[in-house]
Amino acid sequence: EAEVAQSPRYKITEKSQAVAFWCDPISGHATLYWYRQILGQGPELLVQFQDESVVDDSQLPKDRFSAERLKGVDSTLKIQPAELGDSAMYLCASSLGSQGNYGYTFGSGTRLTVV
Amino acid sequence: KQEVTQIPAALSVPEGENLVLNCSFTDSAIYNLQWFRQDPGKGLTSLLLIQSSQREQTSGRLNASLDKSSGRSTLYIAASQPGDSATYLCAVSDSSYKLIFGSGTRLLVRP
Repeated sequence: EAEVAQSPRYKITEKSQAVAFWCDPISGHATLYWYRQILGQGPELLVQFQDESVVDDSQLPKDRFSAERLKGVDSTLKIQPAELGDSAMYLCASSLGSQGNYGYTFGSGTRLTVV
Repeated sequence: KQEVTQIPAALSVPEGENLVLNCSFTDSAIYNLQWFRQDPGKGLTSLLLIQSSQREQTSGRLNASLDKSSGRSTLYIAASQPGDSATYLCAVSDSSYKLIFGSGTRLLVRP
């Protein structure tokens, strides 16, 4: 079964350092999402891409976070500088259609710890 | 603004029991609803997807229902097993086709 690939699985970084996460969606999935999940809470959307275009980044802290999907395939989420409050699970998801009619498939996530 | 609530927040049951997890949402204008399972420290595994025009979906021991007009969904797990222990998340797709999640129900099935 096709999967959404994410790396790294775990990342420990010091406060004020830069960190990057990578996501490779299921082949052919045009829509890609980055979610952040704080322990004990549900995931919250950071950014949504349709192909290489950003559809929604209203919840992305743009002073420190950036996301790109240059060729409309894989995507990178970057944080610079990292803060203690950024410690969370970062989840990538993809969907075949733009309307989610086929559901959403999530990757295994990247667990970030900022020390 | 769409809000999703899941009750109870935690549930502990003995093995073999049938159980129901509840999900409610404030805006009935959803496109679909999806139930996910999350094991500790892991990503999300999709369990069931219910389109807005559907009333329920079934997969094995799982059955999910959707009542759009009342803003409710339930996930029914039959004959629970210790391996069912996990957090169950409900999410609705809104008009911009992004998922809005509840905080989840942590389920423990005791042997």
